[in-house]
Amino acid sequence: KNQVEQSPQSLIILEGKNCTLQCNYTVSPFSNLRWYKQDTGRGPVSLTIMTFSENTKSNGRYTATLDADTKQSSLHITASQLSDSASYICVVSRNYGGSQGNLIFGKGTKLSVKP
Amino acid sequence: NAGVTQTPKFQVLKTGQSMTLQCAQDMNHEYMSWYRQDPGMGLRLIHYSVGAGITDQGEVPNGYNVSRSTTEDFPLRLLSAAPSQTSVYFCASSYAGVAKNIQYFGAGTRLSVL
Repeated sequence: KNQVEQSPQSLIILEGKNCTLQCNYTVSPFSNLRWYKQDTGRGPVSLTIMTFSENTKSNGRYTATLDADTKQSSLHITASQLSDSASYICVVSRNYGGSQGNLIFGKGTKLSVKP
Repeated sequence: NAGVTQTPKFQVLKTGQSMTLQCAQDMNHEYMSWYRQDPGMGLRLIHYSVGAGITDQGEVPNGYNVSRSTTEDFPLRLLSAAPSQTSVYFCASSYAGVAKNIQYFGAGTRLSVL
């Protein structure tokens, strides 16, 4: 069964600290993996998209890693800021033609950054 | 840059009422889709469209209709609202080949059915 599991479900950290969010998937055939940030009351916004051959991709203080062998990804946030408080959603895309029904969404990790 | 625009932002319905959630994008994207987001669950696909005049069902299509008469617009219709349709609805768009391209989401419509 195609699934995306994220951990932890929620996380509280102090401003300025680093944190790492995890994403494990059982999706095939694999096309790419995306991380989205969703602020409260807003729609998801893309942070990174990684294909099979990419191990690391950065977007400012956000760094995503991908291990296609173990089917794991992580999102590392450096020097957290209050504005990083949001839900982070991992999405895995299947390489199964052009059909829309090929995106498998995780349930997200809710991050709270406290002053 | 408008991107993906959803209206209304909030809506309260009574059971049995019908309504249309509007979605428009100005990026000339071929693909558009509707999702619902419920607490503790990932986004679930309701309906999608690969281009004007073409629509298809997603994971949870029951109780919803869609049409795509233009590239820009993709409205979602609730035929007879039920409390189980209380949710946050997101419209998204992308270039053709959504499996390889980033989706852009609207801000969402928060719907309560009483």
